[in-house]
Amino acid sequence: GNSVTQMEGPVTLSEEAFLTINCTYTATGYPSLFWYVQYPGEGLQLLLKATKADDKGSNKGFEATYRKETTSFHLEKGSVQVSDSAVYFCALPPGAGSYQLTFGKGTKLSVIP
Amino acid sequence: DAGVTQSPTHLIKTRGQHVTLRCSPISGHKSVSWYQQVLGQGPQFIFQYYEKEERGRGNFPDRFSARQFPNYSSELNVNALLLGDSALYLCASSLGGARVNTEAFFGQGTRLTVV
Repeated sequence: GNSVTQMEGPVTLSEEAFLTINCTYTATGYPSLFWYVQYPGEGLQLLLKATKADDKGSNKGFEATYRKETTSFHLEKGSVQVSDSAVYFCALPPGAGSYQLTFGKGTKLSVIP
Repeated sequence: DAGVTQSPTHLIKTRGQHVTLRCSPISGHKSVSWYQQVLGQGPQFIFQYYEKEERGRGNFPDRFSARQFPNYSSELNVNALLLGDSALYLCASSLGGARVNTEAFFGQGTRLTVV
């Protein structure tokens, strides 16, 4: 079945630092790939997505590239802000015989001024 | 357009009680899924409903049940509450059935505390 392995945190960065959160996946075929973000006390929001190999998803300065050869979808941002402090989840859509999103364990990011 | 709405936002119940959580999906979405998120963990799948039928169930006891109404809104019911049921319950809606490669949109969640 599908699985997601995500870099576990917590990660603490200074404002304007570069961010990378690693995500690798196991799945049949070439599924879409998602990054969700959860701000403190809130539900999950879709941050970005990619639907096929070599696609780059981007939103709010975050980027992630669908790498089929390494089965990876690493999240990056060149200059983080305090407002980016949140938990980030890498996720796969339902696979064959499944009806659930498969989430990584989440990476908590704290950005300090 | 309204997003996914859940009610109530917070709830405190006593062990052994019953609880009903509600979810209204995005207009036009026919699929609703429920997830449980324990503090510090990722969401765990409970149920998915599509066109008013249960299409998938996660590894949760029979104390958990759900249904979807003709307007595609959904209820999650939990009987005989345990302390371990304390969590954030998330509802997600999506356009199609489970096997469509589309993203899910989440509500703000219901924070359930069992004391």
